[in-house]
Amino acid sequence: GDSVTQTEGPVTVSESESLIINCTYSATSIAYPNLFWYVRYPGEGLQLLLKVITAGQKGSSRGFEATYNKETTSFHLQKASVQESDSAVYYCALGESGSFNKLTFGAGTRLAVCP
Amino acid sequence: DTTVKQNPRYKLARVGKPVNLICSQTMNHDTMYWYQKKPNQAPKLLLFYYDKILNREADTFEKFQSSRPNNSFCSLYIGSAGLEYSAMYLCASSFNQDTQYFGPGTRLLVL
Repeated sequence: GDSVTQTEGPVTVSESESLIINCTYSATSIAYPNLFWYVRYPGEGLQLLLKVITAGQKGSSRGFEATYNKETTSFHLQKASVQESDSAVYYCALGESGSFNKLTFGAGTRLAVCP
Repeated sequence: DTTVKQNPRYKLARVGKPVNLICSQTMNHDTMYWYQKKPNQAPKLLLFYYDKILNREADTFEKFQSSRPNNSFCSLYIGSAGLEYSAMYLCASSFNQDTQYFGPGTRLLVL
């Protein structure tokens, strides 16, 4: 079946440092997966951070970026300079257009940004 | 307003007793989903409603029921709770197979 593997947390970085959270996927049943990063801030529900539906394209939001790399089946999340407010749990996910975009999630990566 | 609401936020249930969780949205979304999230595990899709049609994942087919009395509400029903049902239950909704919007979740503890 389809699966998503991401950096195991917790990840701790200092404010203004750079960040990368790795995500690789296996889409055995989906020819053209859509890729997502969701984030869960403390006390809130999962919310979409960014999505990319075309291989080779980059998505960006709130200073975060991720590039859909079909060759390496990766969708790593990067930010050049994190802030304390970025502390949250980040989930990589894949879905399929035309199949109700049912999502297959990774286990999540807890990020703690220290002031 | 892109809010998905879930009630209750916390639920304590006894082994063998039924559990009913509620989700609502006012975005007129055509699809509503239920996921189960256990600690250190990925959220797992249990089932979803597209309009009035229920689709259950194969490995959860017999464990969970659901109803959608109208476009705005969707419930998740466990007929006889077991310890293994302790988890966070996440509801989401979407329109036209686009972005899913999630609620805050209901944390269920079965004792």
